[in-house]
Amino acid sequence: AAGVIQSPRHLIKEKRETATLKCYPIPRHDTVYWYQQGPGQDPQFLISFYEKMQSDKGSIPDRFSAQQFSDYHSELNMSSLELGDSALYFCASSLAADSHTSGNTIYFGEGSWLTVV
Amino acid sequence: ELKVEQNPLFLSMQEGKNYTIYCNYSTTSDRLYWYRQDPGKSLESLFVLLSNGAVKQEGRLMASLDTKARLSTLHITAAVHDLSATYFCAVNTVTSYDKVIFGPGTSLSVIP
Repeated sequence: AAGVIQSPRHLIKEKRETATLKCYPIPRHDTVYWYQQGPGQDPQFLISFYEKMQSDKGSIPDRFSAQQFSDYHSELNMSSLELGDSALYFCASSLAADSHTSGNTIYFGEGSWLTVV
Repeated sequence: ELKVEQNPLFLSMQEGKNYTIYCNYSTTSDRLYWYRQDPGKSLESLFVLLSNGAVKQEGRLMASLDTKARLSTLHITAAVHDLSATYFCAVNTVTSYDKVIFGPGTSLSVIP
């Protein structure tokens, strides 16, 4: 079965540089989520999209922005990178229509490892 | 603001023993998730609980939900080494449907 695809899997950036992470949700899924997980930490909710519109926002820095495109893929753009941005970034997707049957299980990608040096 | 707590944060248990992980949350929610994560890996969905009194079981794991107490439990029966991982509960709020907040995680180590 198709899963959530994230790219790149690893990237190394210098401070003050810009990085873009891409996410391809499971086909037919209408909701996309972005999370940031630091070493030994729980995943922190950044932002979500439902049908290409931002649905909820969490602790996403102003230096970060995200969008979902017409083909449902999503991108997380991070600018003026700081050392503290080094983390594992997860994209996840779900199908809201399943909420009353399976509770719309949220499926996570493998993550993108960002290292800022 | 929604807060999610887990207890204990670290758990070391012997194979064959039973134990329960607790998840408390601070505001009304309509969905509670349990996930497993191995070091450096993705998050694997274990259970989604929707209603008060919901109970789901898969293998040696059983999850339950008490919405009135805002409490979920993950019960481990006859633990085996393969269950060693970090277990997270996560909760949304009825006002922010897609904002799913994770607890701090319970790091479980099953010792032979």
